[in-house]
Amino acid sequence: LAKTTQPISMDSYEGQEVNITCSHNNIATNDYITWYQQFPSQGPRFIIQGYKTKVTNEVASLFIPADRKSSTLSLPRVSLSDTAVYYCLVGDMNTDKLIFGTGTRLQVFP
Amino acid sequence: AAGVIQSPRHLIKEKRETATLKCYPIPRHDTVYWYQQGPGQDPQFLISFYEKMQSDKGSIPDRFSAQQFSDYHSELNMSSLELGDSALYFCASSPGTDSYNEQFFGPGTRLTVL
Repeated sequence: LAKTTQPISMDSYEGQEVNITCSHNNIATNDYITWYQQFPSQGPRFIIQGYKTKVTNEVASLFIPADRKSSTLSLPRVSLSDTAVYYCLVGDMNTDKLIFGTGTRLQVFP
Repeated sequence: AAGVIQSPRHLIKEKRETATLKCYPIPRHDTVYWYQQGPGQDPQFLISFYEKMQSDKGSIPDRFSAQQFSDYHSELNMSSLELGDSALYFCASSPGTDSYNEQFFGPGTRLTVL
């Protein structure tokens, strides 16, 4: 399973764009990159998933360079409610489990 | 929209007791996953089931067992509880076993072992 490395914490202010980068140097050809968000005492929530280039949905964008050894989750104009832990996961095609590494604790200030 | 249901939401047990956690997946989801999250820790995968058969196994202690029933709900049975078993236990479901599938997590069961 490919391991991921993310910053332990990040701070931002309301209205700013936040970019969280994740390294996954050993990503396999068939692996997808998935990001989850977790609020305290709640279950993780799927944010976005991608394989290469750029993916955008209503809450975030995911940028994946051609070598796929890293990915960047972009949250536009964050609000206080975006304060949470963000996990980058790399999916193993042969298993269905999610392997959570140490996520990034994002703190948004007013 | 229907979500994953877990019961009970809170559970307090003494050491060496047993506990049973229940999970009701989203309708038409045939895969169920169990995760354990200790205080200040990241979620750890325990076990998963697809179509009532165990599909993958993670760091689940031998004192724990789980199964998925014909209606797709799942139960996590925990015996000889230890203080270290105190944690949030999340169940998640998905429509299939493909790792590309989004997993939908329940609200969790907070187990406290005294």
